[in-house]
Parts: sequence; C-alpha cells; structure tokens
Amino acid sequence: GNSVTQMEGPVTLSEEAFLTINCTYTATGYPSLFWYVQYPGEGLQLLLKATKADDKGSNKGFEATYRKETTSFHLEKGSVQVSDSAVYFCALRKNSGYALNFGKGTSLLVTP
Amino acid sequence: DSGVTQTPKHLITATGQRVTLRCSPRSGDLSVYWYQQSLDQGLQFLIQYYNGEERAKGNILERFSAQQFPDLHSELNLSSLELGDSALYFCASSARTGDNSPLHFGNGTRLTVT
Repeated sequence: GNSVTQMEGPVTLSEEAFLTINCTYTATGYPSLFWYVQYPGEGLQLLLKATKADDKGSNKGFEATYRKETTSFHLEKGSVQVSDSAVYFCALRKNSGYALNFGKGTSLLVTP
Repeated sequence: DSGVTQTPKHLITATGQRVTLRCSPRSGDLSVYWYQQSLDQGLQFLIQYYNGEERAKGNILERFSAQQFPDLHSELNLSSLELGDSALYFCASSARTGDNSPLHFGNGTRLTVT
C-alpha cells in the first residue's frame, strides 16, 4: 500500500542551524507529496507541496524536492528560528481529490 | 485560521458511551475528511465525504460512522467507546475532487474516554 516514513524525533537545533527532516515514501504510480506543519494546540497547515518528479516545493524558507529515483521528499531549511518549533508531517496523495497518507510526524525544537 | 470549524474542542466521556463530533468545512469546500491522531498510531485517515456521498474509507472502526449533510457540514459518531478511542480527531476539507487542492484542517476535537 501507500505509506510514508519519516525520521524519528525529537530534533533539537540551535537557532540559525540547518534543518533536514528525512521523508521517504512507498507508492505505485506518481503520487503528490506534501509537508504539513502542526503548531501546539492547532490543526495541520500546508507548508509546501510537489506534484511531480523533480518539482521543488518551497515556502517560508523551507524547501523539498520530489526525488522519484530515491522515493524521497526531504524537508530542508537553511537557518531555523525559534518560531519554527512544531511537528512536521510528510504526506502523500495517491490520486487527486483523495485523502492524504501521513507519516508519524517529526517534532522540532529550536532553542535560542 | 483555516476556515474549518470543529466542535466541541474537548470532550470527556465514559467507556460504553456515544459521542458526536461536528465539522463545518471551509465555505465552498465540497470534500470533508476525518482523521484520528494518537501518539502510537499517528494520523490515521478514517473516512471521506464528497458533496454528501461517502467517497473513501480508511481505518474506520465499525463502531464509528459519519455523514455529510446537504449544507455540507459533517458529523462523526463514535459509539461503544473504549479507552483506546481517546485521541485527537481532526476534520479537513478541500475544494473539490479531480484537482489537487490542499486539505485545510480544523483545530481538532480532543476526546478523552475514562
């Protein structure tokens, strides 16, 4: 079936450090890939997406590139801020208009 | 603010009871999705409705049911509750099927079964 595997957290970084959160997927065909972020006490918010191989999604300094050859969609940010502390979820959508399959989430804590 | 409204925010009930969770999607969104979030299982897709019709089923227990009404709001009914049903239940909505419009999530209903 379709599934997403994320690196386990928590990830703790100092402000201005480089961030990578690994995400790999298993799916047939060409799924769309997403990163969502969840701040404490809130629902998930779309961070970025990519709908085909080699697409790069980007938003608020975060980037992820859809790599079909390695079935990966790793999230990166060059310089994290304390306000980036949250839980990050990688997700795939097999077919347009259908539900997302989420990874288990990676908790990020950025310290001053 | 995502525009998706879930009520109530918190619910505490006893084992064996039945509860109803309510979701109002973003204005104009036709699809509603229900997810369960727990520490051990992560985010599990339960069920999707599109314009009043059931569209897809995920890991939804037989004790759980849902519906989407003509005004597009949705309800998730959980019955014969067990301790293991304690979780955060999210509703999400998206514009329409056939495109790749993103899911917009509500802030969830936290259910505690004692």
